[in-house]
Amino acid sequence: SQTIHQWPATLVQPVGSPLSLECTVEGTSNPNLYWYRQAAGRGLQLLFYSVGIGQISSEVPQNLSASRPQDRQFILSSKKLLLSDSGFYLCAWSPIYEQYFGPGTRLTVT
Amino acid sequence: AQTVTQSQPEMSVQEAETVTLSCTYDTSESDYYLFWYKQPPSRQMILVIRQEAYKQQNATENRFSVNFQKAAKSFSLKISDSQLGDAAMYFCAYRSANNYGQNFVFGPGTRLSVLP
Repeated sequence: SQTIHQWPATLVQPVGSPLSLECTVEGTSNPNLYWYRQAAGRGLQLLFYSVGIGQISSEVPQNLSASRPQDRQFILSSKKLLLSDSGFYLCAWSPIYEQYFGPGTRLTVT
Repeated sequence: AQTVTQSQPEMSVQEAETVTLSCTYDTSESDYYLFWYKQPPSRQMILVIRQEAYKQQNATENRFSVNFQKAAKSFSLKISDSQLGDAAMYFCAYRSANNYGQNFVFGPGTRLSVLP
């Protein structure tokens, strides 16, 4: 069966520091991958999605970037974090129809 | 562009009772998929139920069922025999069937409280 992992689970970073969040999927090949951000008590904001290695589409211009160095690995990065980058980051993968989500990373920028 | 609306920011239900969460969407497409996701306090997003637009029969998963009205672009979720563990945020989502690589559109969510 397929499993999606995210790490770290929780992260506290100072403003101006770099960021790297990792997402990996097991048990499937060539999945569509997604990064979402969710502010407290709010809905999901799509940040990036990828249909294959090296193929990244950005939905919202911002301080973040994404990369897909391997088929089942999706990385969310920032060179310099802003306070507004705080939130809950969810990675998801999609076989055909629905999306399945990872456990998420809670990021606090101080 | 497609949009998904959930007009009830918060709902509450008594344990063992039935509750219906509303969702409407806007699209010009005829072939698509609709979903309900549950997000409990752990914040893990869990797929509850899926409906294909080409199917007239409403989807059912145990205590969860939908009322899919394609002409009205309505997709409500009914939870029967509500349990304390049903307390969560519920998100309605839309996905076009025309491009599997592309985006989902999520509604803003409905927070459901279950009263003992």
